[in-house]
Amino acid sequence: QVQLQESGPGLVKPSETLSLTCTVSGGSISSYYWSWIRQPPGKGLEWIGYIYYSGSTNYNPSLKSRVTISVDTSKNQFSLKLSSVTAADTAVYYCASQDANYYYYGMDVWGQGTTVTVSS
Amino acid sequence: QSVLTQPPSASGTPGQRVTISCSGSSSNIGSNYVYWYQQLPGTAPKLLIYRNNQRPSGVPDRFSGSKSGTSASLAISGLRSEDEADYYCAAWDDSLSVYWVFGGGTKLTVL
Repeated sequence: QVQLQESGPGLVKPSETLSLTCTVSGGSISSYYWSWIRQPPGKGLEWIGYIYYSGSTNYNPSLKSRVTISVDTSKNQFSLKLSSVTAADTAVYYCASQDANYYYYGMDVWGQGTTVTVSS
Repeated sequence: QSVLTQPPSASGTPGQRVTISCSGSSSNIGSNYVYWYQQLPGTAPKLLIYRNNQRPSGVPDRFSGSKSGTSASLAISGLRSEDEADYYCAAWDDSLSVYWVFGGGTKLTVL
């Protein structure tokens, strides 16, 4: 089973772009949907979007205008960029995987999460 | 506001059976699988139920899921102190595009 590890700055200034990377180990990045999910402090989960290993993407309609998810198969990594951030984007950000061949298992592997705070 | 609706809290005593409900619509629960996640304090969510009522290997059979129409529920029997956690339901929604939606979460307290 793959393992996921998020990385990136823990502090981002308002109006700037949040950038995070998820490194995949223990397996190939192929044949999976790779998602980003976030959780504001004390609140519930919000799906941000996913990328298929081939590069096709799908985003949450509420965040679509600010989100870009990309994949680097040579590094077994995928990344999240969220532009024009505000304090409302402060959250724990998780990456997660969904096997495209067994899509009905859902997002069954998650990273441990990384905390991002938006503040000047 | 979450797309799926869950009660904010639930409670039970050790050994009891508790259920957590999740209400949605025809574009999510009504036409797609339901998933349940358990989130222990300070940890990442863990998949508890997939495809409405299936348990991943390692999940005790005390946990069970069901779905009817646009609603779903998670049942926990033989409640244990370690079950105290937040529980989230999730489903695909295909109203605008195909995307994941979650419930607001239910905090389960074992009294």
